[in-house]
Amino acid sequence: AQTVTQSQPEMSVQEAETVTLSCTYDTSESDYYLFWYKQPPSRQMILVIRQEAYKQQNATENRFSVNFQKAAKSFSLKISDSQLGDAAMYFCALGCRGATNKLIFGTGTLLAVQP
Amino acid sequence: EAQVTQNPRYLITVTGKKLTVTCSQNMNHEYMSWYRQDPGLGLRQIYYSMNVEVTDKGDVPEGYKVSRKEKRNFPLILESPSPNQTSLYFCASSLGSGTGGYEQYFGPGTRLTVT
Repeated sequence: AQTVTQSQPEMSVQEAETVTLSCTYDTSESDYYLFWYKQPPSRQMILVIRQEAYKQQNATENRFSVNFQKAAKSFSLKISDSQLGDAAMYFCALGCRGATNKLIFGTGTLLAVQP
Repeated sequence: EAQVTQNPRYLITVTGKKLTVTCSQNMNHEYMSWYRQDPGLGLRQIYYSMNVEVTDKGDVPEGYKVSRKEKRNFPLILESPSPNQTSLYFCASSLGSGTGGYEQYFGPGTRLTVT
C-alpha cells in the first residue's frame, strides 16, 4: 500500500524567514511523482512544486524548493523569504503510474505566517 | 483559460434527496477523478475515469456514482445522500501519461452539507 505522512499538523514562521515542511512516503513502485499542493482559505488546490522520482536533482520554483531523499523516502518543502500570502494548508502527495492515476495525499500541514 | 469547473460551489441538502455535482474540464484530459476532503484525512479518491465510458472505483466509492458520457464532463451523483457524506469535494483532471502527466488540475471545490 502507498502512504504519505505529514507529521506536523501546524507550523508557524515569521515573515521573511525560512520554514521547512516535512513529508515521508512509502511505495514499492519505481516510477512515481511527488507533489506539494497549497490550499489557501479559498480552498483552491494549487500546485506548488513537482518532483519526478527518477531525477536526482531537487526541484525548485522561485522561493520554493524540495529536499528529495529517495532512499529515506523523504520529501520536504522549504519556503524561503516567507510571505503573508504563503499562509495556507500544505499537502504532500504521491502519484504512481497505474490505471487509477490517483494521488495519495498526506493529512496536511497548516502554515501560519507571522508579520 | 485552462480550467476545471464545478457546480454548485455550496450545497445544503437533506438526507435521501438525490443530487448531482457537475464537473467539466476544457483541457482535453483523458483522466478525471473525484476526491473528498475531510479534516485530518487529507483528500481521498472516490471514483476515476480513464476515458469516455470507462470509470472505476477509487478508495471511498460507497454511496456515490459517476458517469463519463463526454470527455469533458464527469458528474458525481449521490442518489441517497447521508450525513456522513458531508464533505468538501474536488474534481480533478490530468493527461495521465508522459512527463508531467500525473499532475492533477483541481476544480474550485464543492462544499456539501447533508442534514
